[in-house]
Amino acid sequence: EVQLVESGGGLVQPGGSLRLSCVASGFSFTDHYMDWVRQAPGKGLEWVGRSRNKANSYITEYAASVKGRISISRDDAQNSVYLQMNNLQTDDTAVYYCARERAAGPSDLWGRGTLVIVSS
Amino acid sequence: SYALTQTPSVSVAPGKTATISCGGNNIGTKSVHWYQQKPGQAPVLVIYYDTDRPSGIPERFSGSNSGNTATLTISRVEAGDEADYYCQVWDSVTYHWVFGGGTKLAVL
Repeated sequence: EVQLVESGGGLVQPGGSLRLSCVASGFSFTDHYMDWVRQAPGKGLEWVGRSRNKANSYITEYAASVKGRISISRDDAQNSVYLQMNNLQTDDTAVYYCARERAAGPSDLWGRGTLVIVSS
Repeated sequence: SYALTQTPSVSVAPGKTATISCGGNNIGTKSVHWYQQKPGQAPVLVIYYDTDRPSGIPERFSGSNSGNTATLTISRVEAGDEADYYCQVWDSVTYHWVFGGGTKLAVL
């Protein structure tokens, strides 16, 4: 089955760190750019960042709002992409989605998301 | 940075046509993608590169893009189309994906 499954969300205190994982199955993971998108409760979608594929040197790009506090990495052998988040703040509370880019374009496959709550 | 503007809500009666707009400076020069998100679910791509439909998306969904406005049109609206709709473009200056604020489609 073609799918993405996120994990690693949970409750974390302000200033803390969290690492989210996304495991892909059913398609050639190495060919695709992979994105992280988040959605705060009751709010819209916000792009967090992405990892390009091997053919494009695994270059990573990040949203200005999180740059310096996050890092995206991937392990093609494990069909996985990761989102390391540091110095988390309350406004980082959101559902974090992993998404596959179609030919470095739109996201045509999304995971179900993992909830991150930053609270003391 | 590039900004996309969407009307917060649109209401339409079943069987009628819904028009959801996405405004941006010279958006007609960019490729626009549209997503549908139902409550508690992940987004689903419904239109990509302005006018293309992924397999499995009904022909009732169509898109256009010109000037400063991109449009998602849903013909013969059904109750199951009730959802939030988001437009998306790539900002080639900042190397960011940008989402519009979303439009909530209510089917009366």
